[in-house]
Amino acid sequence: AQTVTQSQPEMSVQEAETVTLSCTYDTSESDYYLFWYKQPPSRQMILVIRQEAYKQQNATENRFSVNFQKAAKSFSLKISDSQLGDAAMYFCAYRYQGNTPLVFGKGTRLSVIA
Amino acid sequence: DAGVIQSPRHEVTEMGQEVTLRCKPISGHNSLFWYRQTMMRGLELLIYFNNNVPIDDSGMPEDRFSAKMPNASFSTLKIQPSEPRDSAVYFCASTRTGRGETQYFGPGTRLLVL
Repeated sequence: AQTVTQSQPEMSVQEAETVTLSCTYDTSESDYYLFWYKQPPSRQMILVIRQEAYKQQNATENRFSVNFQKAAKSFSLKISDSQLGDAAMYFCAYRYQGNTPLVFGKGTRLSVIA
Repeated sequence: DAGVIQSPRHEVTEMGQEVTLRCKPISGHNSLFWYRQTMMRGLELLIYFNNNVPIDDSGMPEDRFSAKMPNASFSTLKIQPSEPRDSAVYFCASTRTGRGETQYFGPGTRLLVL
């Protein structure tokens, strides 16, 4: 079974600084997708960024980027120029190809210090 | 687009009562997922449907839980009878058929069983 591990329950970062959240996963598949979701206090699940496993290029979305290491099964999220609004729970998730469910990590709570 | 709609947003009930959670997926999406979020277990899949057909219900805790999708625009998750350990946030998510399509989440229903 696929598993997703987030080893950092909590992280903090100073406003305007950069922070990296870690995620590792375990799968025997070669074709899959990885996601980072943000969950603010409102509890809404918001997609931050996604990565297709067949693409070698790391995904980027404005201040958010990933470091995807397929061989190491690692998928970290880098947030640059951190803002107060980035404070939230961040979940790493894996999905096999097709319309299949997401498998989530336990989450990392990010605090942003003004 | 209206996004995934869930109702009610909050539900407080007493142990033993029947609870029905509702979900309207995004128009044109043909896969629907029910997830549950608790502090102890994190985010976990309960059941999912493709083209209104239940595909995997192995995450449904026990016979007290049931889910239906009578048509492409509506799904229900029912708990009967409810127990305090069912207290959680229940999310509905939908996606459309296609390679690597993103799952979009509803705002969730926060259930408290007293």
